[in-house]
Amino acid sequence: DTEVTQTPKHLVMGMTNKKSLKCEQHMGHRAMYWYKQKAKKPPELMFVYSYEKLSINESVPSRFSPECPNSSLLNLHLHALQPEDSALYLCASSQVRGSTGELFFGEGSRLTVL
Amino acid sequence: AQSVAQPEDQVNVAEGNPLTVKCTYSVSGNPYLFWYVQYPNRGLQFLLKYITGDNLVKGSYGFEAEFNKSQTSFHLKKPSALVSDSALYFCAVGDYKLSFGAGTTVTVRA
Repeated sequence: DTEVTQTPKHLVMGMTNKKSLKCEQHMGHRAMYWYKQKAKKPPELMFVYSYEKLSINESVPSRFSPECPNSSLLNLHLHALQPEDSALYLCASSQVRGSTGELFFGEGSRLTVL
Repeated sequence: AQSVAQPEDQVNVAEGNPLTVKCTYSVSGNPYLFWYVQYPNRGLQFLLKYITGDNLVKGSYGFEAEFNKSQTSFHLKKPSALVSDSALYFCAVGDYKLSFGAGTTVTVRA
């Protein structure tokens, strides 16, 4: 199994809503990542978890809250988002942080904030 | 500091012709270089990487890339392009914290 599964594929939310994005991998990878991608632009790193601990937060606003309940799961909790937060949110995993191995990306969750 | 540059926003080729997507890099140490492809409304897919060793790296879907240290380049190549190769291509550098290039949109016409 070489997949990273993200749900939901599409999400529409209002600025006062609370929602979550979910990511799951069963490759035994110990590093997991959240990226944000605007149309036709490169992905921007948001968070990195290594061995279920948050190791990098790229100065992301607190309205985005990551969580790594176990080595296979990664969540991104969303609250009080702004329209400019509308984007494709990509989850990725790799064997370990800094292994020079490739990242495996999910298909993404396309978020629209109204 | 590490960065990559993709000098072409768009590359257009005819099916069956060679395809080249350019990438140059800037790193302070050993370069760990990657190519990813993104099809419309999809996530990124890994194509190939250069860590060390042979300068010619072979990857998925018939793609290869040549690492050139003197020119600090890592161009992606395919000898004979297919219409299905039309996608957005990203060069990246780094280990756990990748720096992506701006991306190159490849269009292969039938």
